[in-house]
Amino acid sequence: ILNVEQSPQSLHVQEGDSTNFTCSFPSSNFYALHWYRWETAKSPEALFVMTLNGDEKKKGRISATLNTKEGYSYLYIKGSQPEDSATYLCARGSGNTGKLIFGQGTTLQVKP
Amino acid sequence: ETGVTQSPTHLIKTRGQQVTLRCSSQSGHNTVSWYQQALGQGPQFIFQYYREEENGRGNFPPRFSGLQFPNYSSELNVNALELDDSALYLCASSLRLVVESDTQYFGPGTRLTVL
Repeated sequence: ILNVEQSPQSLHVQEGDSTNFTCSFPSSNFYALHWYRWETAKSPEALFVMTLNGDEKKKGRISATLNTKEGYSYLYIKGSQPEDSATYLCARGSGNTGKLIFGQGTTLQVKP
Repeated sequence: ETGVTQSPTHLIKTRGQQVTLRCSSQSGHNTVSWYQQALGQGPQFIFQYYREEENGRGNFPPRFSGLQFPNYSSELNVNALELDDSALYLCASSLRLVVESDTQYFGPGTRLTVL
């Protein structure tokens, strides 16, 4: 089993703070790394898919980086807003079925 | 275009019963995957269907089975329910036969409680 680990498990920040989370994964046989944002009672929303070492992706105030050699990805949120409160999931793509192996998620709470 | 929808939203069953969960894929998508999320864990892959055929299966027993229909909607069936089957069940659809870098679009899930 190829485990994906996320840290921290939960995070509480004030509105306006910048924050970042980590996703760690085995670096061997790497295919792709996915980030999802999941708000309570909604569907997980795809944020990024990254495949190449050194990839950087950005969507508004959210950005992500990828290091496949050392097996980690960072997700950054600049100037957190209450609407950023959600669980952020990363998942490792696994082979040709497109099976995703998920971490347990980081739950972010942004206080106004 | 409509997103991925799932029904029902919530379901309560007792041990030993059978359950069917339903998923309607996003328009034009011909691949559907099912995931189970137990409390405190990330989603775990159950299986995937492409054009009505199973195309990959995770570490789940045979009492978990699925179907995909010509309109690409899908069902997840679980027989002989156990207490540990209590979880959120998510389906995800994709435009084509999924490769590892393709985005999968998720539904909101069905919450199953087994008493």
